[in-house]
Amino acid sequence: TQLLEQSPQFLSIQEGENLTVYCNSSSVFSSLQWYRQEPGEGPVLLVTVVTGGEVKKLKRLTFQFGDARKDSSLHITAAQPGDTGLYLCAGAPANSGGSNYKLTFGKGTLLTVNP
Amino acid sequence: SQTIHQWPATLVQPVGSPLSLECTVEGTSNPNLYWYRQAAGRGLQLLFYSVGIGQISSEVPQNLSASRPQDRQFILSSKKLLLSDSGFYLCAWNIGLSGNTIYFGEGSWLTVV
Repeated sequence: TQLLEQSPQFLSIQEGENLTVYCNSSSVFSSLQWYRQEPGEGPVLLVTVVTGGEVKKLKRLTFQFGDARKDSSLHITAAQPGDTGLYLCAGAPANSGGSNYKLTFGKGTLLTVNP
Repeated sequence: SQTIHQWPATLVQPVGSPLSLECTVEGTSNPNLYWYRQAAGRGLQLLFYSVGIGQISSEVPQNLSASRPQDRQFILSSKKLLLSDSGFYLCAWNIGLSGNTIYFGEGSWLTVV
């Protein structure tokens, strides 16, 4: 079973602070996605990383894919209350193929940014 | 652009009653379609996926079934709901050969009472 472990599970910080959340696995993934989910809504895609060592930036969010494609991190600079939500990572196992494609999801990091 | 919609958004059903959640995708052809369940606002559990009309794969044994009567329509059903079927259900889609990203609908809250 290919598992994605996310840490921390819960994070509560003050507005303006920086934070990093992690997504780790013992398996290799051909790509990793990060999603943000607000209560009562479906997850919304933030980014997809596909190349080992890749770094992508989305405004104050920086995403990195590990060199071995087994882990990823999300760093938020100067967090704002609007960043509050559940951050989910999801991976496409490297040994999956064709159109029968299924993602493996982590359990998420629940981030609260207090004003 | 592609869009996905699922309904109803919320549903309260008595134990033993039937269930039908519907999902449609617009703006694409032959998508892979998925039903997920999310418990307690955390991890997602894949229930069913479909790679074409009439083709359904079940990931976990359960009280639910899925059908795909049309290319862009995916339905989640139950003949008799259990209390344990309560949860947040998410429909999702992607194109298998053009990337690994999956896109979600708005979700449906099911409460079985």
